Amino acid sequence: QKEVEQNSGPLSVPEGAIASLNCTYSDRGSQSFFWYRQYSGKSPELIMFIYSNGDKEDGRFTAQLNKASQYVSLLIRDSQPSDSATYLCAVNMINAGNMLTFGGGTRLMVKP
Amino acid sequence: DGGITQSPKYLFRKEGQNVTLSCEQNLNHDAMYWYRQDPGQGLRLIYYSQIVNDFQKGDIAEGYSVSREKKESFPLTVTSAQKNPTAFYLCASSIGGPGTEAFFGQGTRLTVV
Repeated sequence: QKEVEQNSGPLSVPEGAIASLNCTYSDRGSQSFFWYRQYSGKSPELIMFIYSNGDKEDGRFTAQLNKASQYVSLLIRDSQPSDSATYLCAVNMINAGNMLTFGGGTRLMVKP
Repeated sequence: DGGITQSPKYLFRKEGQNVTLSCEQNLNHDAMYWYRQDPGQGLRLIYYSQIVNDFQKGDIAEGYSVSREKKESFPLTVTSAQKNPTAFYLCASSIGGPGTEAFFGQGTRLTVV
């Protein structure tokens, strides 16, 4: 079992729709959860972080965390073609020296 | 502007050659990291450093070496012992150490020729 799992996609949504990206993790002690956006050939860019159960909203982005289910998600409202990228989930792993462990990423395609 | 600068952007290595990738940050962050990304894959940790003159191996340290003589600089050497070095290398830093938000440089794409 991978420590941080994401569906590789591609996830295809029409412009203006809500994109829902999901991530599960294996370490029950994890406390910090991050979402990065990575355009093709570029480096990852931090877009959201969440530490507490529930929802955290920032503009069109909402991060959702459920520690009991070991599940974190990213919702993108009013998706735009410029949102087309790979989204990486990162989780701190207590059983690995508190290091960030990255999922393999979900490729999102927003079609005009 | 504050940030993390990696150089070169593209690097070509011949078989049996050592090459060094540069990473400099002016964010005053204590912790720095090196990750490797293969096509379609997530990031894997090579080495990290929390303070000057100290660094720790990550998950895939074999064939790589680092130094941390200055807070701002964390160069990575890919040695001839690394049998499959072709990848995208990413340097990152964080103010709070492991488990906190990391910020990335623009990356170095290394190709073996």
